Amino acid sequence: AQTVTQSQPEMSVQEAETVTLSCTYDTSESDYYLFWYKQPPSRQMILVIRQEAYKQQNATENRFSVNFQKAAKSFSLKISDSQLGDAAMYFCAYRINNDMRFGAGTRLTVKP
Amino acid sequence: NAGVMQNPRHLVRRRGQEARLRCSPMKGHSHVYWYRQLPEEGLKFMVYLQKENIIDESGMPKERFSAEFPKEGPSILRIQQVVRGDSAAYFCASSHGQGGNYGYTFGSGTRLTVV
Repeated sequence: AQTVTQSQPEMSVQEAETVTLSCTYDTSESDYYLFWYKQPPSRQMILVIRQEAYKQQNATENRFSVNFQKAAKSFSLKISDSQLGDAAMYFCAYRINNDMRFGAGTRLTVKP
Repeated sequence: NAGVMQNPRHLVRRRGQEARLRCSPMKGHSHVYWYRQLPEEGLKFMVYLQKENIIDESGMPKERFSAEFPKEGPSILRIQQVVRGDSAAYFCASSHGQGGNYGYTFGSGTRLTVV
């Protein structure tokens, strides 16, 4: 069974600083996709960044980047220059075919 | 492009009533997924549908829950004889294709409260 673990229920960061959210997953597959989603208080699920497992290069989207360690089955999200609008729940997700599994989430607070 | 539309946004039902949740996928998307989110938890997969077909319902309770995605119209998640434990946010997502790098686009969810 595929499981996704986010070991940090809550994280806090000072505005303009950098924060890293951790995610590990368990799978026996070699070809899959990983995602980070953001869920602000509006409840909308917003795709932040995605990573193909067959790519060694870490994905980057503006201030958001990942550290993908395939052997360790680790997929952490780094948010640089944190902004107040980054405050939200962040969910790590693993997908193979039509099966997408989510972690329990990390609540990120940004302090002004 | 209006994105994935879910309605109603909030739904209150008394125990024993029926709840019907609707989801219109993004234009051009033929794959629909339903997820349930309990408070302070991640999204749990319920069911995956394509037009007129249920592809995977392994996450959906066997009783009281059903889903459909007709040829015309939105996808419907129906919960019969609701109980307090059904209170949750229900999210619908759609995608262009199956698997691979096709990202899911999520709706804003329907928050069901059973009183």
